[in-house]
Amino acid sequence: AQSVTQLGSHVSVSEGALVLLRCNYSSSVPPYLFWYVQYPNQGLQLLLKYTTGATLVKGINGFEAEFKKSETSFHLTKPSAHMSDAAEYFCAVSAALFGNEKLTFGTGTRLTIIP
Amino acid sequence: ETGVTQTPRHLVMGMTNKKSLKCEQHLGHNAMYWYKQSAKKPLELMFVYNFKEQTENNSVPSRFSPECPNSSHLFLHLHTLQPEDSALYLCASRLARGSSYNEQFFGPGTRLTVL
Repeated sequence: AQSVTQLGSHVSVSEGALVLLRCNYSSSVPPYLFWYVQYPNQGLQLLLKYTTGATLVKGINGFEAEFKKSETSFHLTKPSAHMSDAAEYFCAVSAALFGNEKLTFGTGTRLTIIP
Repeated sequence: ETGVTQTPRHLVMGMTNKKSLKCEQHLGHNAMYWYKQSAKKPLELMFVYNFKEQTENNSVPSRFSPECPNSSHLFLHLHTLQPEDSALYLCASRLARGSSYNEQFFGPGTRLTVL
């Protein structure tokens, strides 16, 4: 079984400041990890994913995340926030299985950018 | 049309009505999903279809009835819903194939309000 905990349902940062959104996971098997972004009135868009290999993964819009097995974490960062980053962000985990894949999501973090 | 589309985008219905949500994917995928997104709760997986066969029913009440006539279309038939069923219903699809991982692509969702 898998679970995801996102610390902080709301995060506010100033434009140009570092963005850090926290995600911790639990998984009984090697996990696949994801960050999705949801803009108002839209579906979820994949930002980045970790499956195997390099533990630092880069995604779209300047975001990156690092898989730390020892800390069971997959925190999302961006060096410099932009107004267009305001959205809701979801961390998700999937068991590293073939075929019948199921995602387990966290409750989301709403990111607000202060001008 | 490209990606995953959902219609209608907004739906208001009474508790005695019958309505259907439609999802269509134009990506050549073979797995489709229904999720429920309620405020302050994680996305809840409802149903999974692989190659038109239902492979997951996540203890969803029978007032929700899915239908997958082919790999490109997915429906969610609704009848005698309750106000607590009001939510954003998201459809997703992915290419489930062998040992390579392919992520889920989401549609924009249908905002359902049950009066």
